[in-house]
Order: sequence, then C-alpha cells, then structure tokens
Amino acid sequence: NAGVTQTPKFQVLKTGQSMTLQCAQDMNHEYMSWYRQDPGMGLRLIHYSVGAGITDQGEVPNGYNVSRSTTEDFPLRLLSAAPSQTSVYFCASSSGLGDSNQPQHFGDGTRLSIL
Amino acid sequence: GQNIDQPTEMTATEGAIVQINCTYQTSGFNGLFWYQQHAGEAPTFLSYNVLDGLEEKGRFSSFLSRSKGYSYLLLKELQMKDSASYLCAVLDSNYQLIWGAGTKLIIKP
Repeated sequence: NAGVTQTPKFQVLKTGQSMTLQCAQDMNHEYMSWYRQDPGMGLRLIHYSVGAGITDQGEVPNGYNVSRSTTEDFPLRLLSAAPSQTSVYFCASSSGLGDSNQPQHFGDGTRLSIL
Repeated sequence: GQNIDQPTEMTATEGAIVQINCTYQTSGFNGLFWYQQHAGEAPTFLSYNVLDGLEEKGRFSSFLSRSKGYSYLLLKELQMKDSASYLCAVLDSNYQLIWGAGTKLIIKP
C-alpha cells in the first residue's frame, strides 16, 4: 500500500533556484492538493486539482505552479525560490470531499529550506 | 474572513480523559474533520462530523454543534502514543478545507 508518495523528503535550495516537488498516488483518487505547513499556522492550500487536466489556485498560490497530466501525478514547481517558501509541504489526495468515506490521505511531507 | 480556533497546547495524564475544543466561523459548512499529526509526520484522519451530535470511534469521540460553530474531540483512556497535534478542519461552502493551527497534546505519565 504505497498511498501518497512524496519526493524528496528533504531539500535545501538557494534563493532564486527552481525545483519540482513530486507527488504520486496509487489510489485512483480524483482530488489532489498541495499544502504548506508553517509553525503556529494551519495547513494552507497552495493549489489543487479535481481531476486530470484541471488545476486551480488555493489560498497561497504565488510562486508555485502545478500541472495534472495524469490521475496519479501532481507535481509542484517552485519557480524562483525565496526564503519565505521555507516550509513543510504536504501533498494530499482523496476520492472527493464532503463525505466521511473521503478523507484526505497525506504524503510524508517535504521539508524545504531556502537559504 | 474564515477562522478556526483551537487551544495551542494542552497537557493531560496517562489514563485520563481530555477534550480538545474547536470553534469555527466559515462561509458555509459541509462538514468538520479531525486529524492527528505526530511530530515530523503527516496528518492522519480521525473523524468526520456533518450532523449535530456525537460520533464515537473506540477511545476517540467527536461532537458537533452547527448552531454554535463548535466541535470537540474527546480522547479517553489516554496513552503515551496519543501525544500529538490534533487538527480541526472545516469544509466550507466551496468544498475547500479550512484548517486550524492545531492543538499540541502532551501526555504525562
């Protein structure tokens, strides 16, 4: 049972660098999302997708891009890393929202530091 | 604006009972979730409430009052492994999850 797989687990970048955080799920879930988690704050939604080919912005989308070419994969791209993007990033998937049978399944997270 | 309030930290004794409260003000309501998150790990689903009342799952129960914008998570027979953060999240009218900052629960022997 792989569930939601995120890579890498840790990453250090220099300001201005770009990188892609990978997320893959093997549960055939339509809904996928990216969150960032910062100390003292709730999870904040960056981008989400309700199915292959469809993406939309969440609460804090600036500086990030996503694509959803397949049901399984939902990569998050940092275009030009800034220290304010230092955070823990979680990818999550679910078969939908609004039902007790459809909770979010989270990956293990990527701990990203921008110097 | 949308807001979820939870206590930042709580301490309880092994074997005891603890209640973690969550109050919310959101644009619309389509359900409330509780998740558990151990330090350095991902959140994991605990419970979901969409109707008023109490939902019981073993040692954990979750209560909802929609008219009061209030929920609580009740943990009984506390074990050391229950030391974790507990996250409250509300599904708003657009089916977006609004997350509280979480309550860090410390269990003492």
